Amino acid sequence: GENVGLHLPTLSVQEGDNSIINCAYSNSASDYFIWYKQESGKGPQFIIDIRSNMDKRQGQRVTVLLNKTVKHLSLQIAATQPGDSAVYFCAETGSGGGADGLTFGKGTHLIIQP
Amino acid sequence: ETGVTQTPRHLVMGMTNKKSLKCEQHLGHNAMYWYKQSAKKPLELMFVYNFKEQTENNSVPSRFSPECPNSSHLFLHLHTLQPEDSALYLCASSHSRERTEAFFGQGTRLTVV
Repeated sequence: GENVGLHLPTLSVQEGDNSIINCAYSNSASDYFIWYKQESGKGPQFIIDIRSNMDKRQGQRVTVLLNKTVKHLSLQIAATQPGDSAVYFCAETGSGGGADGLTFGKGTHLIIQP
Repeated sequence: ETGVTQTPRHLVMGMTNKKSLKCEQHLGHNAMYWYKQSAKKPLELMFVYNFKEQTENNSVPSRFSPECPNSSHLFLHLHTLQPEDSALYLCASSHSRERTEAFFGQGTRLTVV
């Protein structure tokens, strides 16, 4: 895939188990955070987002937690399925108005074991 | 399908060639972006366009030249590239005035020989 050669953290979980992917960010002025999923041969796909005035947001099988004190973001995926195997990126954007573009983390490779 | 289409999907070019990457979005967005994803680095923002105006150039070499003729189309013109420019080039779009997620195309896999 696109990230071969980049030393990505890898998380291997059994199918049906829950997984937690972590991300640290550095810009304390960031006020909007997104998790993306990227499968081999595809562009990043939006999973869930959270704004800085929240500390938790839930979607379908996914939960994002934001800890602004330690600048930490996590993505929890419940009851993992084979289709969840992908590289997961956190992304952040600053506090300026309008569209600024995103700053991406390195990514975590999630492998679902059957 | 994300509503963002990139062509071509794959491109091989020599260092003296000139080529262009194309991106089109059908989402009604007014902001468009070029990102570079290489094997040794995370996704890097290259250019940002808001309402057809370039608002960010992230210290990108001049051998990469973006063009945004309207809010739905974005081009990346390439000339005299280097082998280290080989990467996946991703286009994205988003709303311009509110902070929402960016939608990405499938990317163009570029190989410079």
